[in-house]
Amino acid sequence: DGGITQSPKYLFRKEGQNVTLSCEQNLNHDAMYWYRQDPGQGLRLIYYSQIVNDFQKGDIAEGYSVSREKKESFPLTVTSAQKNPTAFYLCASSGRDSDTEAFFGQGTRLTVV
Amino acid sequence: GEDVEQSLFLSVREGDSSVINCTYTDSSSTYLYWYKQEPGAGLQLLTYIFSNMDMKQDQRLTVLLNKKDKHLSLRIADTQTGDSAIYFCAESNAGTYKYIFGTGTRLKVLA
Repeated sequence: DGGITQSPKYLFRKEGQNVTLSCEQNLNHDAMYWYRQDPGQGLRLIYYSQIVNDFQKGDIAEGYSVSREKKESFPLTVTSAQKNPTAFYLCASSGRDSDTEAFFGQGTRLTVV
Repeated sequence: GEDVEQSLFLSVREGDSSVINCTYTDSSSTYLYWYKQEPGAGLQLLTYIFSNMDMKQDQRLTVLLNKKDKHLSLRIADTQTGDSAIYFCAESNAGTYKYIFGTGTRLKVLA
C-alpha cells in the first residue's frame, strides 16, 4: 500500500546529542514537509522540500537540518543546537501543487533525557 | 503572515451535533482542509473545500465557508465517541507548497 512511514515511533536522546528522524514515502510525491507539534500550538513548519536536492526553511528551522537526496526520503536531524527538542514530529508529503491534500506519517515522539 | 485560528476545546454529548470553527487570514487561500488526529497518531484528511465553494457535505460532515469573513466551520452530525480527537483546520495557496495549520480543536464526546 502507498503511504508515508516515519521511524522510530518513540526516540530518546541525551542532551548534547544529534538525532535523525526518518521519513519515507512511496506515493511518488514531489513535496515533503517536517512539522513539529507541541500542545496548544498546532503544527509548526520546520523545513519543506519541493524537489530532490532542494529544500527551504520553514518557520522554526533553527537547530534542525534536512537532506533530500532521494525523492522518497526526507530525513530530519535534530541537532544539539535545538534548545527545546522534546516534541512530536510529523512528516508529510504532497503532490506537485499544494492544492492537493498533504498525507501524514504516524509521527515520532522525541524525548530528551 | 498567514494565520489560522481555532478554539482549543469543545465538548458535546453523544448524538448531538458538533460545530468546530476556524478563521484564517490569507485571502488568497486556494483550498481549506479539515484533518483529524487521534492520540499519538498522524493527521488524516477528513474533507476539504475549494475556496470558490460555500458548502460541502460528505455523509455526517458538513463544511461551510464564508469567504468574506474568512470563516470555516466543520459540522459533525450525530457525534459519536469515536469522533473524540483533535481537529485541525488548514489552508493552502496554490504554488506556495505550504500548508498553514491552526492550533487544533480537541473534541471530547461525552457518553
